[in-house]
Amino acid sequence: DMKVTQMPRYLIKRMGENVLLECGQDMSHETMYWYRQDPGLGLQLIYISYDVDSNSEGDIPKGYRVSRKKREHFSLILDSAKTNQTSVYFCASRDRGDAEQFFGPGTRLTVL
Amino acid sequence: KTQVEQSPQSLVVRQGENCVLQCNYSVTPDNHLRWFKQDTGKGLVSLTVLVHENDKTSNGRYSATLDKDAKHSTLHITATLLDDTATYICVVGDRGSALGRLHFGAGTQLIVIP
Repeated sequence: DMKVTQMPRYLIKRMGENVLLECGQDMSHETMYWYRQDPGLGLQLIYISYDVDSNSEGDIPKGYRVSRKKREHFSLILDSAKTNQTSVYFCASRDRGDAEQFFGPGTRLTVL
Repeated sequence: KTQVEQSPQSLVVRQGENCVLQCNYSVTPDNHLRWFKQDTGKGLVSLTVLVHENDKTSNGRYSATLDKDAKHSTLHITATLLDDTATYICVVGDRGSALGRLHFGAGTQLIVIP
């Protein structure tokens, strides 16, 4: 059963703290994505990763960085979180040559 | 500028009724269009994908159409159930993107009441 997992599912942090969101997939997909979802808006693309150590900015990369050291893991890092980074974060993965992206269950991050 | 617009924003129907959700987009060049269902607090689950001009798909009580000329899609849900309560998201693939870039609508929130 193909799966994208995200940890943690819920997180509360204070402004200025560092945040690490983890994503894993068991499908050996090359391409992985981080999105955020805010009320009234469509999912917005933060970063794309083509493969290990090959990452590209999406539409809203400011305040975020990513790390992909293994094909099956893709991390989103917020150095010194801000209150406007409160959101639901989704990870997705896609196989080369296939258009379909598979989504994780999301991480709800609250920055106080 | 939003490239995928969905209507209505929200919709309340009684169990057993049918409903129609709309999606208009301006993504160019467009590849495929996919409808997702998102239960509250959960991830996106694919319902159906439309690829070709005038495509029509059916997945149980869900059916969808695509008019690529008009850049318009509809999702029909027949004989709604309480479990259909969710947000339905229209997503358009960008054919010009080698990285599989997607453009997301904000969703239609469907509430099915007894």
